[in-house]
Order: sequence, then structure tokens, then C-alpha cells
Amino acid sequence: DTAVSQTPKYLVTQMGNDKSIKCEQNLGHDTMYWYKQDSKKFLKIMFSYNNKELIINETVPNRFSPKSPDKAHLNLHINSLELGDSAVYFCASSHRPAGASYNEQFFGPGTRLTVL
Amino acid sequence: DQQVKQNSPSLSVQEGRISILNCDYTNSMFDYFLWYKKYPAEGPTFLISISSIKDKNEDGRFTVFLNKSAKHLSLHIVPSQPGDSAVYFCAANEGYTGNQFYFGTGTSLTVIP
Repeated sequence: DTAVSQTPKYLVTQMGNDKSIKCEQNLGHDTMYWYKQDSKKFLKIMFSYNNKELIINETVPNRFSPKSPDKAHLNLHINSLELGDSAVYFCASSHRPAGASYNEQFFGPGTRLTVL
Repeated sequence: DQQVKQNSPSLSVQEGRISILNCDYTNSMFDYFLWYKKYPAEGPTFLISISSIKDKNEDGRFTVFLNKSAKHLSLHIVPSQPGDSAVYFCAANEGYTGNQFYFGTGTSLTVIP
């Protein structure tokens, strides 16, 4: 039974398109995150939501818009895709926001986005 | 500016020997550190953590050491097994004053049978 799931696992699309990645967690966690892992393997936070409220919004183009319909879901919508958006995107969740100690994150399997 | 650094992108170790993975950080406010393990085509999975009030935490074959004065932590795996072959990420946060985890770029460990 998957704890944190993401769909799709692979996404290949043309520049300029709009696409969404879905994330769901069945762990009962309050906090969810989106990370981007670029070609240099650097795992960087994009967004964090706690109880459906945005608590972290790093310097990310406003073409990226997270949406949290409920605590168990955090979807990522990307408008006007660019070549530089090609990366692996990971969803994660944790009991509490990252600032709390003894609080590890559980990651989804990742979505490999390729923009042509 | 990368606040958590793993300067060795790869490491090869013979089965049965010790693997030592290193991590350095620059933010003196970090007080909670984690190691994650990642297999290809999967997300990172939590391995072990350490709070800044400790200098060592052990869990089975895995031990994490923290040297706060040097802003350095290391993960020891002994004995290393072929199934340990994966990418290992170090992460840190500022505890109750921070709001996000900062990750290193990972070290790819290969355990040779």
C-alpha cells in the first residue's frame, strides 16, 4: 500500500503546454512538499503546505501553481512549460512542518518531466 | 548558495568493509540532520537522523556522527552489503526556527560483492 504516490511517473510534453502532476499521501500527515531534482541531482524545495495552507514558496516561476484540495493531496500545475522545467519532481509529506525536530519526510517515487 | 554539501559524488567499497559518507554544512543554525537513501526510479527513503544535542546515533549497521564545531557529519555503514548500493542524501534543518529541509547533492555508493 503506497504511502506517497505520484502520477504520472513519466511525462513527456512539448514546450508551451500546460501539465499537472498529482500527489496523494495516505499517512495522515499534515504537511506536504514539492521538490525539484535538477540535472545536477540537487534536490530543492519548491513549495510546502501545512493543513492545506501554503507555508513555503521558494523562488519558483509563477507558472508553477500548487493546489491542495485537502490534507492528503498536493497537486502541481505547470503552465507554459519551458525546456528548463525538465527535471524529476518529488512530492513528500511529513507529520509536521519541516521546522519540527524528529520529523522526517516520506517521498513519492518521483515524476520525470521531459519538455521537448 | 548550497548550505549542505556532499563533496564526494561517488564511493566504491568492498562488501563487508566500512562505508563512510561525508556531509558538510555552512549554516550554524542547523540542529537536526537526516540521511536518506535513494534507489534508481524511486523517491528518497529516510534512513537515520541526529539531533544537534548528540554527537552519535546508531541504528543497526548505520551510525551517524555529528561534529558541530567542524559543521560536519558522516554516515558509517558497517559491514557494507551489496543492497546498500544507492545514492545517499544528507539533509538538515533549523529545528523549530526553520521551515524547510536543505539537501546535499548526494553520494552514489557502490558496494562490490
